[in-house]
Amino acid sequence: LAKTTQPISMDSYEGQEVNITCSHNNIATNDYITWYQQFPSQGPRFIIQGYKTKVTNEVASLFIPADRKSSTLSLPRVSLSDTAVYYCLVESGTYKYIFGTGTRLKVLA
Amino acid sequence: DGGITQSPKYLFRKEGQNVTLSCEQNLNHDAMYWYRQDPGQGLRLIYYSQIVNDFQKGDIAEGYSVSREKKESFPLTVTSAQKNPTAFYLCASSSLGQANTEAFFGQGTRLTVV
Repeated sequence: LAKTTQPISMDSYEGQEVNITCSHNNIATNDYITWYQQFPSQGPRFIIQGYKTKVTNEVASLFIPADRKSSTLSLPRVSLSDTAVYYCLVESGTYKYIFGTGTRLKVLA
Repeated sequence: DGGITQSPKYLFRKEGQNVTLSCEQNLNHDAMYWYRQDPGQGLRLIYYSQIVNDFQKGDIAEGYSVSREKKESFPLTVTSAQKNPTAFYLCASSSLGQANTEAFFGQGTRLTVV
């Protein structure tokens, strides 16, 4: 199973772009990289997923370099409501979603 | 509305009692999961099931039991053998067959043992 490493916490100000990087040195060829967001006392929810290069949706972008040993979640112009824990997962191919400790993002006014 | 429902949202039990947490999904997903989350921590996998009448232990299965008699339901029993059962419990489901399928989570059950 690929293990992921993320910063424990980050602070940002409203309106700024936030980049959260995740390391997954042992990623397998068939693995996808998925990011989830979790608010307090709620279940995580899917944000974005990618395999290589860049993926963008209405809420975030995901950058994956050619070696796929890391990935960066980019949140454009964050607001107070983006304060949450962000988890990076590497799908192991066995349908076991293994969550690390996540990155606690705090957006300040 | 399609989704995954956990009940109850809050649960209080006396120490030494077994308690069962409910998880139901109407997404027609084959796989279902139970996670435990302690304050300030990530999610830890307790049990998962990919097909009816079959399930596998996750990383912290001791003191827990599950059943999967129906595709839609995956109840979790926290037994008296679980030494520290007070936690936030999350149920999830996903489809199978693709490497990039996402997991859908319920809103969680907060269990407090007094």
